[in-house]
Amino acid sequence: KNQVEQSPQSLIILEGKNCTLQCNYTVSPFSNLRWYKQDTGRGPVSLTIMTFSENTKSNGRYTATLDADTKQSSLHITASQLSDSASYICDDYKLSFGAGTTVTVRA
Amino acid sequence: DSGVTQTPKHLITATGQRVTLRCSPRSGDLSVYWYQQSLDQGLQFLIQYYNGEERAKGNILERFSAQQFPDLHSELNLSSLELGDSALYFCASSVYPHTDTQYFGPGTRLTVL
Repeated sequence: KNQVEQSPQSLIILEGKNCTLQCNYTVSPFSNLRWYKQDTGRGPVSLTIMTFSENTKSNGRYTATLDADTKQSSLHITASQLSDSASYICDDYKLSFGAGTTVTVRA
Repeated sequence: DSGVTQTPKHLITATGQRVTLRCSPRSGDLSVYWYQQSLDQGLQFLIQYYNGEERAKGNILERFSAQQFPDLHSELNLSSLELGDSALYFCASSVYPHTDTQYFGPGTRLTVL
């Protein structure tokens, strides 16, 4: 069964600081991996889709990286803002979702 | 606003009952997905339809069923409800399955008493 694991489970950062979230996957063969942002009680919103040929992809202050050899992806948040407080979820294209990382940004 | 609509927003019902959740995908999207999200669990994929046909099945209970109609809207039917079925149910849509961005609806919060 395909698995997606995310770490850390949660983190707290000060406004303006950077943070990095991790996502490990097992699916093979690989097609794409997706990152979502989910505000409490709302539907997830797509941040980026990483395909096999892409090492890095940015969406504003969000930058995702992919290492297909180690089957790891990272989501880097730059210059965090209070509105970045949310759960960040990754999933492989086979619809296996990680448990998410809850990010809390404090002023 | 993702363009995906779900009704109702909230649903409170009793154990043993049956409910129907409705989803309208974004205009032009052919694929519809259903997910369950409980408080202590992440997103669990239930079932996917593409242009009216069932495409993939996840952890969907036998008490649950779904269908996608010719106008591409979808319904998720939950029967013989149990307390553990209380959760947020999300619908998502995309143009094509697997490779496209999924757009999620606002969800239906189901409470089973």
